[in-house]
Amino acid sequence: DQQVKQNSPSLSVQEGRISILNCDYTNSMFDYFLWYKKYPAEGPTFLISISSIKDKNEDGRFTVFLNKSAKHLSLHIVPSQPGDSAVYFCAAQRSGTYKYIFGTGTRLKVLA
Amino acid sequence: GAGVSQTPSNKVTEKGKYVELRCDPISGHTALYWYRQSLGQGPEFLIYFQGTGAADDSGLPNDRFFAVRPEGSVSTLKIQRTERGDSAVYLCASSLRALAGASSGANVLTFGAGSRLTVL
Repeated sequence: DQQVKQNSPSLSVQEGRISILNCDYTNSMFDYFLWYKKYPAEGPTFLISISSIKDKNEDGRFTVFLNKSAKHLSLHIVPSQPGDSAVYFCAAQRSGTYKYIFGTGTRLKVLA
Repeated sequence: GAGVSQTPSNKVTEKGKYVELRCDPISGHTALYWYRQSLGQGPEFLIYFQGTGAADDSGLPNDRFFAVRPEGSVSTLKIQRTERGDSAVYLCASSLRALAGASSGANVLTFGAGSRLTVL
């Protein structure tokens, strides 16, 4: 039972344009959603998070939008840079717990 | 240390052998986690330590897998009688606190680079 889904395994975007990575979830009990970025041969690194009581969180070029009614979140990267090329994982967490449920990841390639 | 350190970075072994994977978390982080990432999948939870004790080992796939953290710092994941299906990247992570909560927000983990295990 895949509670967190990233349906696009890969995405290619031109440098300077917007990258939009999507994530869907099935469990309405999740309280926090996080995005992690992973370069080859490195561990995932935290990028940005959002609480379920908010619908938007912004940090520099990165913005996460949450649509609770649709159980959908998205990560926007503007403008995209070649250094953003990585695998992006969406993860969900319930308040009072420590466990993450990860999606399967989306490989972003930003073309120079 | 400055980050989470995992050794070995790569381990190739034969089916049926025993392997140990080591994790050295960030100094002062009491919470330690093991996740496993199989090809084409996201990381999946294996076990969580708070201090020296395994607070939750519900993600360990079977009794061939075992993990310890005897002094509340370094942890070792042990796999007996390895099978080809055990091939994956084993990720260790640590955090200062363990629980997500209303006052503290999401619990952010710092991951190591992983140990890639290949069972032939």
